[in-house]
Amino acid sequence: EVQLVQSGAEVKKPGESLKISCKGSGYTFTNYWIAWVRQMSGKGLEWMGIIYPGDSDTRYSPSFQGQVTISVDKSINNVYLQWSSLKASDTAIYYCARGDSESGGTTNFDSWGQGTLVTVSS
Amino acid sequence: SFELTQPPSVSVSPGQTVSITCSGDKLGDRYACWYQQKPGQSPVVVIYDENKRPSGIPERFSGSNSGNTATLTISGTQAMDEADYYCQAWDSSTVVFGGGTKLTVL
Repeated sequence: EVQLVQSGAEVKKPGESLKISCKGSGYTFTNYWIAWVRQMSGKGLEWMGIIYPGDSDTRYSPSFQGQVTISVDKSINNVYLQWSSLKASDTAIYYCARGDSESGGTTNFDSWGQGTLVTVSS
Repeated sequence: SFELTQPPSVSVSPGQTVSITCSGDKLGDRYACWYQQKPGQSPVVVIYDENKRPSGIPERFSGSNSGNTATLTISGTQAMDEADYYCQAWDSSTVVFGGGTKLTVL
């Protein structure tokens, strides 16, 4: 069974750094793209970026380029989303999601993590 | 930039058919998919590659995509279908989501 398990909820202060994780299991981790998606309270889904664990090829949404860093540690099947200086406006649920295609040509995301709630407040 | 536009809300009576649209420039030239998200849950893909259903998704869900509009259709809508629905497509190397449509089953 394909599973994406995300790290737990975080409460941080503005200006602090943070790294959340997404652990894949039940499939060949290196062969599928993993995306990060933000959902602010009561709002829609926003695509942040995507990484291919096999070679760490990473793409970012223009809206999030320079604001976050996506990385991978394929030795432990983890993908990460990182902030160097959080803002209150980063408060949201963050989902990781697996691309559907093993051979490239991903069109949709067929498995999602449970979400990580990040709260940034002074 | 490429954008996908959905109606904010749609309502339907139980047992009836409802369609949710997603509009974008030449969307019919791209693969579109649809996600269902219920309160407090992660999104689930219900239609991909325009009209394919993942295993476990009921046959009452169907999709189409032509011109500038992709459409998700739910036939014989049930109360359990009440949820937010999002369309999604690719633009070059980036993913775009529609703003979402809240489906209310009255």
